[in-house]
Amino acid sequence: DGGITQSPKYLFRKEGQNVTLSCEQNLNHDAMYWYRQDPGQGLRLIYYSQIVNDFQKGDIAEGYSVSREKKESFPLTVTSAQKNPTAFYLCASSITSKGARREAFFGQGTRLTVV
Amino acid sequence: AQKVTQAQTEISVVEKEDVTLDCVYETRDTTYYLFWYKQPPSGELVFLIRRNSFDEQNEISGRYSWNFQKSTSSFNFTITASQVVDSAVYFCALSEAAGDKIIFGKGTRLHILP
Repeated sequence: DGGITQSPKYLFRKEGQNVTLSCEQNLNHDAMYWYRQDPGQGLRLIYYSQIVNDFQKGDIAEGYSVSREKKESFPLTVTSAQKNPTAFYLCASSITSKGARREAFFGQGTRLTVV
Repeated sequence: AQKVTQAQTEISVVEKEDVTLDCVYETRDTTYYLFWYKQPPSGELVFLIRRNSFDEQNEISGRYSWNFQKSTSSFNFTITASQVVDSAVYFCALSEAAGDKIIFGKGTRLHILP
């Protein structure tokens, strides 16, 4: 089945450690996104990528890094520089980020907890 | 700058009642796209609808309907004869044609009481 797969579903990290969240899509979508969700804050954009080997910062990129080496994959690294990393992380993709068909489809999310 | 406001943080209604979720947006672009998503307790956001700024027709899909009014910059979502399975967080979102981001509101948590 086509879709977006995020792994793992739950992730625990010790303070000071980097951790990488996986996001894979087999929808042949050009654009991919990472959002962070906190209670009462809605979804906030971390990074997005319109095409392979290119990505842009969103509204809250500090303390995060991404790569887009393959069309299907858009991993997010939460670095030790991120002061408050405990949150629910959602990956999404869309056919394109230009034109009308830009509705995003989401994975099931990764809940990251710093212990 | 683009912005989406969902003023209703949380709503509770009794099953079978109708409920309307409000969405007000701000944009300087003349061409833009509006979306509604549903987030059930499982966490995954489910796409419900996309509306283009140049298409002001309202839309109905089963018990769901959407009222798009450019004059008031609103894109409201109504659930008719609500059911317990409608309980979720609902997000309104906006994407400007000149840009390439999708900006979300803070969401409205809807409780449908049996």
